[in-house]
Amino acid sequence: QVQLQESGPGLVKPSQTLSLTCTVSGGSISSASYYWSWIRQPAGKGLEWIGRIYTSGSTNYNPSLKSRVTVSLDTSKNQFSLNLSSVTAADTAVYYCAREDFSAWCLDHWGQGTLVTVSS
Amino acid sequence: QSALTQPASVSGSPGQSITISCTGTSSDVGTYNLVSWYQHHPGKAPKLMIYEVSKRPSGVSNRFSGSKSGNTASLTIFGLQAEDEADYYCCPYAGRSTVEFGGGTKLTVL
Repeated sequence: QVQLQESGPGLVKPSQTLSLTCTVSGGSISSASYYWSWIRQPAGKGLEWIGRIYTSGSTNYNPSLKSRVTVSLDTSKNQFSLNLSSVTAADTAVYYCAREDFSAWCLDHWGQGTLVTVSS
Repeated sequence: QSALTQPASVSGSPGQSITISCTGTSSDVGTYNLVSWYQHHPGKAPKLMIYEVSKRPSGVSNRFSGSKSGNTASLTIFGLQAEDEADYYCCPYAGRSTVEFGGGTKLTVL
């Protein structure tokens, strides 16, 4: 059974870079069948897709965040990561990592989520 | 603001059935049979309930059913149970380079 677990600082200062890692177990991040995605949910709001990466290193980003987002892959550790630069209070949210099956175009496994607060 | 329209809230009594709609466009819901639905209990990981409009992943109750007509996809829950109270999000295929969620619907079991 595939499991995903987010990790990283729970508090980030304004203007700094938010960095999170998702560790995948029970499956290989090098599989050709999946994308690896980041999604977030600000308090009281809906889900917002941030971006994704494929095993080849190819990425796609939400246009509204594209200038500040980088998603990367570390196949040796079976992990993928999110960097979001120049954060503000509006980036305070629960951040989820997820696996996307691109044959069915759905997010079939999710991490539990991690709360990141942007505050000085 | 999502371009995919879901009702903000729906409610029903235990044992009843409810339907949550997800209205998109001819560029997403209307063209592709690739709509997924997610159940999200606060503080937990979202869970895939329906994919490819009407397919259920292993382990998902057959009380959950998906369908589509034109530019609108629907999730129907039969025989409502207290544990179904959650937020529900639709997510239709909207192109190879993006993922978009509906605004979400809060289901209250009365």
